[in-house]
Amino acid sequence: EAGVAQSPRYKIIEKRQSVAFWCNPISGHATLYWYQQILGQGPKLLIQFQNNGVVDDSQLPKDRFSAERLKGVDSTLKIQPAKLEDSAVYLCASSSRVNTEAFFGQGTRLTVV
Amino acid sequence: AQKITQTQPGMFVQEKEAVTLDCTYDTSDPSYGLFWYKQPSSGEMIFLIYQGSYDQQNATEGRYSLNFQKARKSANLVISASQLGDSAMYFCAMREETSGSRLTFGEGTQLTVNP
Repeated sequence: EAGVAQSPRYKIIEKRQSVAFWCNPISGHATLYWYQQILGQGPKLLIQFQNNGVVDDSQLPKDRFSAERLKGVDSTLKIQPAKLEDSAVYLCASSSRVNTEAFFGQGTRLTVV
Repeated sequence: AQKITQTQPGMFVQEKEAVTLDCTYDTSDPSYGLFWYKQPSSGEMIFLIYQGSYDQQNATEGRYSLNFQKARKSANLVISASQLGDSAMYFCAMREETSGSRLTFGEGTQLTVNP
């Protein structure tokens, strides 16, 4: 069974530029999560989808971050414009049901300079 | 207040010995779940073990066991017979019923297994 796929693995951009990350969850997993992991910290949930609907985006900085999950499968997370403090690893995860363990991708390491 | 506290930034253990990674949590929700994840240098978060708040017995998965002390609000991970490949960051996480399926993570513990 293929795991959660994310791309790109690494991205370097200048502040005020925009960037997008892509995630393909495990086939059949209805729940998809985006987490932000700043260096030296644990991951923090940004947004959670159940199929293509948003369940929890309470910690998403909506003035600059947006995410979508079209057709309830792949998802993209966008930052526009980026700030220096957005430098982090962005992890995508999926689970088959709301209350089961989440499986994570390898993440996208973003550096904003 | 921190919901998940991991007080050991770094731990060292000799190969083949057992090690305990500490985790305490804070919740008023009667229904919750506790998770441990391993994050090697490659960056992927690997699920290790789960303990539900109503589970009567401590969870075990191979060399991993969870020492669940509900009254103390602790959920320590025990790794037996450590291997070099166990060197990684370890995160404790909690899911509260009132917060849906959101996982709240601790700051992590860096485990180094010495040969």
